[in-house]
This record gives sequence, structure tokens and C-alpha cells, in this order.
Amino acid sequence: QSVLTQPPSVSAASGQKVTVSCSGSSSNIGNNYVSWYQQLPGTAPKLLIYDSDKRPSGIPDRFSGSKSGTSATLGITRLQTGDEADYYCGTWDNSLSSVVFGGGTKLTVL
Amino acid sequence: QVQLVQSGAEVKKPGASVKVSCKASGYTFTGYYMHWVRQAPGQGLEWMGWINPNSGGTNYAQKFQGRVTVTRDTSISTAYMDLSGLRSDDTAVYYCARDLSGGSTHMDVWGTGTTVSVSS
Repeated sequence: QSVLTQPPSVSAASGQKVTVSCSGSSSNIGNNYVSWYQQLPGTAPKLLIYDSDKRPSGIPDRFSGSKSGTSATLGITRLQTGDEADYYCGTWDNSLSSVVFGGGTKLTVL
Repeated sequence: QVQLVQSGAEVKKPGASVKVSCKASGYTFTGYYMHWVRQAPGQGLEWMGWINPNSGGTNYAQKFQGRVTVTRDTSISTAYMDLSGLRSDDTAVYYCARDLSGGSTHMDVWGTGTTVSVSS
């Protein structure tokens, strides 16, 4: 059971928009920045979003992040088949003194 | 370019230990914390701990305390993760990952991954 809660799967049509939620508590998301990672099949994770809403260099602006209270959201617009992957949220947990991740969300582009 | 190259796959018996290496290149090794994260087959990401390569200071997830040791050799820009008392549920891909800055917990560069299989 992951400390952060994500939906197991989401889907949307090519060209459309999708959001992935990540729910936590005051000991993690509520008081810390969130990062989001994309993991394509058979590859290492890739940082998409850090500091809850910032994109590293090279990440297209189709990807966005937001945080409100104890929840965070990843948004992906203009979906492409190449976006099919697993997406993970992560943050620091003050009570556990550990980095914690969500269980991951599998995105299917229809 | 910035990259982290890990050591090759390992097959171990229960109770044994494994040491995985992570060689950094393309940046100042001592300037960035290094995390270790594992992923069991078909499962999610699990954080194991980190090291400050400059000071050698470490922080481990409670689950792994007593079983994991992370070290570094600054002369060859390499971090190591040693896991002892291996069990079948330690079978996973182990990644090193560079911290974005100053222990931010955001991981911006990931290693090539090392598959560790534990079986009798």
C-alpha cells in the first residue's frame, strides 16, 4: 500500500487532455513539493515535473503540474500515442523521513 | 552529457549480499545527492535511501535500515548500494538517481538500472 494514492489507470483519446491525481496528507504533499515521473515500458523513470509545477528543460509544455492542499495533479494535453506510460508522483514525507511515491497510474491513449 | 551507468545484472541466493555500483559522468559528482530506488517486477517505485557524496552522509528508509549501506568513492565518481540478507522479495530493478539540487528529493537523472534476482 503506497503512502500516496493514484488511480491505477486513466485513458483518453489521442489529441485530448487527461489528468492524473495524487492524494496524500499533511505530512507529505501538504507541506512539500511534488515531482512527477514518466516511465515508458522497459525504461528508467524520467522527471516531468518538479517543485509541484515546474518543468525541467526539454519537457514539452503539454505537461503541467499543480498542487492544492494535500493533493497534486498532473495534466497532459494534446495526447499522443507516445505518452502511453506509467506515471508516478513523489514527495518527501516528514513523518517517515523518507521519499514516498504513489503506486503509479497507467495511461492508455485510445 | 550527464549520465549514470550502473553495474550489470546479479543473481544471488537468499541470505547473500549484493553491491550495485553507479558511475557518474558529465557533472561534478560531489555536488548532487544520489538516491537509490528499486522497482519489483510489475510494481511501483520504492525509495531506499540517499547519500550526500560530498560529506558521505546518508539517510535510509526505515524499511531498509540495518540491511542497506550506501557509500561513495569520490576519486572515481561512483556511488554504491550494498543490500544484505537478500530475500526473494528483494528481486527488483535497482536504480540510482541524481537529486535535482541540495536534497530536493526530485530526481532528474536516472541510472541504467541493475536487475537483481534472488532465488534458491
